[in-house]
Amino acid sequence: QLQLVESGGGSVKPGESLTLSCEASGFSFVDSYMSWIRQAPGKGLEWVSYISNTDNVIYYAESVKGRFTISRDNAKRSLFLQMNSLRAEDSAIYFCAKDHSPVAFWGQGTLVTVSS
Amino acid sequence: SYVLTQPSSVSVAPGKPARITCGGNRIGSKSVHWYQQKAGQAPVLVISYDSDRPSGIPERFSGSNSGNTATLTISRVEVEDEADYYCQVWDGSSDHVVFGGGTKLTVL
Repeated sequence: QLQLVESGGGSVKPGESLTLSCEASGFSFVDSYMSWIRQAPGKGLEWVSYISNTDNVIYYAESVKGRFTISRDNAKRSLFLQMNSLRAEDSAIYFCAKDHSPVAFWGQGTLVTVSS
Repeated sequence: SYVLTQPSSVSVAPGKPARITCGGNRIGSKSVHWYQQKAGQAPVLVISYDSDRPSGIPERFSGSNSGNTATLTISRVEVEDEADYYCQVWDGSSDHVVFGGGTKLTVL
């Protein structure tokens, strides 16, 4: 069955960096667009970024553009999100997701907390 | 940027219909997708491309989209349907994914 397992979340200080990872199984990763979507505590869903199957198409939300970088390793069936210059407002659960519109399947998420 | 507007909350008694709206400028020209998120869980796709139900989604879930409003309808609400619901579109002018603010469905 489809499975997406995120890792790499944690607690960091403002200005620091963090890299999230997502391991995929149960579907053809090499043929799938992949996305990162976040949800601040008690808030709604916010799209962060998506990447095409061959990584030639990449888009970011304006709130993270220039600070976050999405990438993938098809051989390892893995998706990544490098997050630099983190801010308090980046605190959220980060979901790895299959496809971008619609999002066909979501991982359980990994929590990122940015606090001094 | 494209904006989707949802009511913050909807309440309905079990067995009654529930309708959750999603407003956007000429949203009828876009494909709308709906997600259900129960407390502490990841979202689940319940309606895609305005009105398609993915495998495993109960028939009581349906969707429509016209003009400036898309609607998710649950024909006969069950207690297990209590959740947050989000609409989503792809904005072709920016190539960005857009989510509505979410609607909390309370089953009375």
